[in-house]
Amino acid sequence: NAGVTQTPKFRVLKTGQSMTLLCAQDMNHEYMYWYRQDPGMGLRLIHYSVGEGTTAKGEVPDGYNVSRLKKQNFLLGLESAAPSQTSVYFCASSYSGDKRTEAFFGQGTRLTVV
Amino acid sequence: SQKIEQNSEALNIQEGKTATLTCNYTNYSPAYLQWYRQDPGRGPVFLLLIRENEKEKRKERLKVTFDTTLKQSLFHITASQPADSATYLCALDRSGSARQLTFGSGTQLTVLP
Repeated sequence: NAGVTQTPKFRVLKTGQSMTLLCAQDMNHEYMYWYRQDPGMGLRLIHYSVGEGTTAKGEVPDGYNVSRLKKQNFLLGLESAAPSQTSVYFCASSYSGDKRTEAFFGQGTRLTVV
Repeated sequence: SQKIEQNSEALNIQEGKTATLTCNYTNYSPAYLQWYRQDPGRGPVFLLLIRENEKEKRKERLKVTFDTTLKQSLFHITASQPADSATYLCALDRSGSARQLTFGSGTQLTVLP
C-alpha cells in the first residue's frame, strides 16, 4: 500500500495563477483533510471531508476550494494564488470509527507563490 | 479562543537521558490527545494516542500522560537515541465528528551523542 500520496511535491506559482493539489489514499478511509504548515504556526486545517461528495471548512479556508468526487481522492484548489499561500501543504486521511483514530499524512507539497 | 502550546521550540538532551516534552491547552475539552513525529521534509507520523479517561499510555520507550485538570500532556522518551531527533507534535481533537485535529507548533528534539 502506498498510503497517502500527494502530487506535486514542489511547485512555484506566480501571483494570480491557479493550481490544484491532488491527494490520493488507498486505505479506504472515510475522512480526508488538507492542512498547511508554516514556521512557528503548526499545522492548520484548511478543509476536510467526511465522505465522498462532502466537504467542509476548517480553520483557514479562505482562498482555497476542495472537492471529493471519489472516496480515494481529495483535491485542493487555489483559484488565484497569493504570496500568503506560500506554505507546505499536507493531506491526511483517517478512519471514521473510534477504534483507530490516528491521521495518516502524505509527504507534503511545498508551494511558493512569487 | 482555543490554544495549544508546546513547552519549547527546541530541546537538546544527551543520549541515554529521558526527554520530556510538554503540551498545554486552554479553552478546550478534548476527547483525546495524539502525539506525532515529524522528520525534515516529511509528513507527521502518528506515535501515540491517549484518551481523556486514561492517565498514562506506553509504547516501547515512549510514555504519554494526560492530566485533564491541569490541561496538560507530557511525552517522555526514555533511553533517548540520536535517531529520536525530530520534531514532535501534539494534537487535540476539536470536534466529536470528523476528527478535526488541532496541532501545537511542535518541539524540535535533538539527542546529542
